[in-house]
Parts: sequence; C-alpha cells; structure tokens
Amino acid sequence: DVKVTQSSRYLVKRTGEKVFLECVQDMDHENMFWYRQDPGLGLRLIYFSYDVKMKEKGDIPEGYSVSREKKERFSLILESASTNQTSMYLCASSLGVMQPQHFGDGTRLSIL
Amino acid sequence: GQSLEQPSEVTAVEGAIVQINCTYQTSGFYGLSWYQQHDGGAPTFLSYNALDGLEETGRFSSFLSRSDSYGYLLLQELQMKDSASYFCAVGGYSSASKIIFGSGTRLSIRP
Repeated sequence: DVKVTQSSRYLVKRTGEKVFLECVQDMDHENMFWYRQDPGLGLRLIYFSYDVKMKEKGDIPEGYSVSREKKERFSLILESASTNQTSMYLCASSLGVMQPQHFGDGTRLSIL
Repeated sequence: GQSLEQPSEVTAVEGAIVQINCTYQTSGFYGLSWYQQHDGGAPTFLSYNALDGLEETGRFSSFLSRSDSYGYLLLQELQMKDSASYFCAVGGYSSASKIIFGSGTRLSIRP
C-alpha cells in the first residue's frame, strides 16, 4: 500500500513565522501535490511537482512556496504565516497522469 | 474558467440507492474521478472515468457523459459507513498532471 506521511497532525504557529510542512511518500511516485481544504470549498491545489526540483503553481499559490529536492519528499513553506492560512493541509502523490492520488492524513494548521 | 458543481448535501436511507451528480466546465479534459472522505480522514480514491459510460466497482458505480460534461456516482445498498463526503474531480485543464476538485457532497445515511 502507498504510504503518504505528513510530519504533523496538528500545528500551531504565530503570525509572521516561517512554517514548514513536510510530506514523504514511499512508492516512488512522480507527482506530488499540496492542497488546502476549507469548509464548503473542497480541496484547492496550492502547488504540485511532477519531478525532482520541478514545481508548478496550482490555483492558490500566493503566500506559499514548495521544495522538492528528493523524489520522495515534498515540502510546503509558508513564508510569513498569516491568520487566513489557518486550514487543513493535505499532501498527495500519484504515479502519473490522472492516476489515483494517495493522500496523507493532513495537517491541521492554526495561525494565531 | 474551470468549475465543478455538485450538490452540497444528500440524505438517503440505509439499504437504498443514491446518485450524486457532478457537472463540470474545463478547458481540456482527461477524465473524471471520485473520492470519498470520512470526517477527520483523508480522501480516498473511488473511481475514474476517461470514456463515456458506466464503470462498476462493487456497490459503487460511476458514469460519464463527455458530451454533456456530466457524471455521477451511484451508491447501492447503502450502509451507515457510506456516510461521508464525496468529491468529484476533473483533470487536464492546463497541465495533464493536476486535477481540480469539486466542493464536495456530504452524504448522510438514515437507518
């Protein structure tokens, strides 16, 4: 079974802090994704990566950056956290185009 | 622009059949997927349609009509454990690797 592991289940940070969310997958998947999930808005794509050191913006990249130095690891960075970034963050990976995405358990991030 | 529409809530009775509809508008289309998410859990993949027609997987079936930009998820012999949110997702609108999700349908099952 594919395992996607997110570093924290719950995280509380302060406004202005630089925040790192880590995601690791163990199935050698090419594609990795970061979403945020808010009530009534579904899953919104922040960034995705289709290869090491490659990244593309999703629908809501503002205020975020990503890093993929190794195939198995995809990091989401909040450069200067703000209260409107309080949300559930989900990482996913997939083997290829339109292949099923496998999700981590999510990180519930609160920015105070 | 790109958009997906699905009902926000559906209620059904245990043992019955329920259909969750999804209409989409995208520039470029590769396929329609469905995901299930229980409260507090991660989304899990249910089905994928790239071509018109019905795909059946056990109690769940998914249908696609590309000419109508429409699909649905059909759940039969409903069980209490099917209470969850269901998301449709379409892929390929500007880059083949990413997909966009609908806002989800919360399915509640009554005994």
